Amino acid sequence: EVQLLESGGGLVQPGGSLRLSCAASEFSFSSYAMTWVRQAPGKGLEWVSALSGSGGSTYYADSVKGRFTISRDNSKNTLYLQMNSLRAEDTAVYYCAKEGGGSATPIDYWGQGTLVTVSS
Amino acid sequence: SYVLTQPPSVSVAPGQTARITCGGNNIGSKSVHWYQQKPGQAPVLVVYDDSDRPSGIPERFSGSNSGNTATLTISRVEAGDEADYYCQVWDSSTDLYAVFGGGTQLTVL
Repeated sequence: EVQLLESGGGLVQPGGSLRLSCAASEFSFSSYAMTWVRQAPGKGLEWVSALSGSGGSTYYADSVKGRFTISRDNSKNTLYLQMNSLRAEDTAVYYCAKEGGGSATPIDYWGQGTLVTVSS
Repeated sequence: SYVLTQPPSVSVAPGQTARITCGGNNIGSKSVHWYQQKPGQAPVLVVYDDSDRPSGIPERFSGSNSGNTATLTISRVEAGDEADYYCQVWDSSTDLYAVFGGGTQLTVL
């Protein structure tokens, strides 16, 4: 069974930085695009960023463009999200998720999420 | 940017049929995916590519998509179906990114 385990969340002050990690297992990690989705407390799902299997193509929501960087280490089966210049509105549970493969595919597996709180 | 519109809430009695809509401009030309999220849990894919079900998802869950509306249908609703449901598409009009609907809270009366 596919497993995705996020880590790195926590409390950070506005303007600060945080790096999230997602350890993947039980599938061919480098063959699949990966995605970060977040959910603010009591709110809906918001797509944050995506990365192709090779890491050569990256995509960002306008709300995080220029502040967040998605990357992956296929030798370690790990996905990352570097978050800089954090704002209060970035407070959310961040989910690491696997895409199904191909274009316009569903997000077929999700991690349990890691909470990021931006507050002074 | 592309917008998906869902009703905030839908209520249905056990054993009845729930229909949750997802509106978007010419959404019928896109592949729509649906996710179920129970409180405190990660989302789970319940329907993909408009009407296909992942393994392990009951046949009671079905989907359709035409024109400007996609619909998730849950037949013979059970108490355990109570959850938030989100529709999602990929929008490549500007750059490839995922769009989620605002979510619909399904209440089983």
